Amino acid sequence: DAGITQSPRHKVTETGTPVTLRCHQTENHRYMYWYRQDPGHGLRLIHYSYGVKDTDKGEVSDGYSVSRSKTEDFLLTLESATSSQTSVYFCAISERDRGGYEQYFGPGTRLTVT
Amino acid sequence: QQPVQSPQAVILREGEDAVINCSSSKALYSVHWYRQKHGEAPVFLMILLKGGEQKGHEKISASFNEKKQQSSLYLTASQLSYSGTYFCGRVASGNTPLVFGKGTRLSVIA
Repeated sequence: DAGITQSPRHKVTETGTPVTLRCHQTENHRYMYWYRQDPGHGLRLIHYSYGVKDTDKGEVSDGYSVSRSKTEDFLLTLESATSSQTSVYFCAISERDRGGYEQYFGPGTRLTVT
Repeated sequence: QQPVQSPQAVILREGEDAVINCSSSKALYSVHWYRQKHGEAPVFLMILLKGGEQKGHEKISASFNEKKQQSSLYLTASQLSYSGTYFCGRVASGNTPLVFGKGTRLSVIA
């Protein structure tokens, strides 16, 4: 199994509070991704990174920011959490370019915003 | 735009075959297939690249029709372990990210 961990694994927070989710990898892969998974929507890309300090937006990036200061860590921040951000969040990594290489997923973080 | 998967759900008995389809409104550079079991993370199955190259699973096959912008996943002689939700993902070009479909839920019963 690819060495990917996510923390925390579960979190309950109140509307309006900031939340940071962490993804840590031990594979030294260049690409890292944050997805959210909601019933009826599948997996939707929030942000991704193609190197240290290099990030770009995905299809559902509003309300989220990311940072990557080290190859192994990719942080996802909800500046002011809303109930619509209740979801399961998956981090993924891939070795090389976005099209031709498989992605390996972390175990997920279940976030509930009350 | 997310690729469209069909069917949305299917129930099989052990040993039966199934086909899951994935259609894209955009030109395809590659198609990915993943399987997710309940409560777990998605797991890579296969990549089909423009030009015919394939990488992936030994017991599951797939096709990729570039002209029709479609891919199909073939599950033969299904086993209980095949149960889960199958996601296709499409990449429009080499420098664009993967976009997943909404998934097909497959249930294999004894």
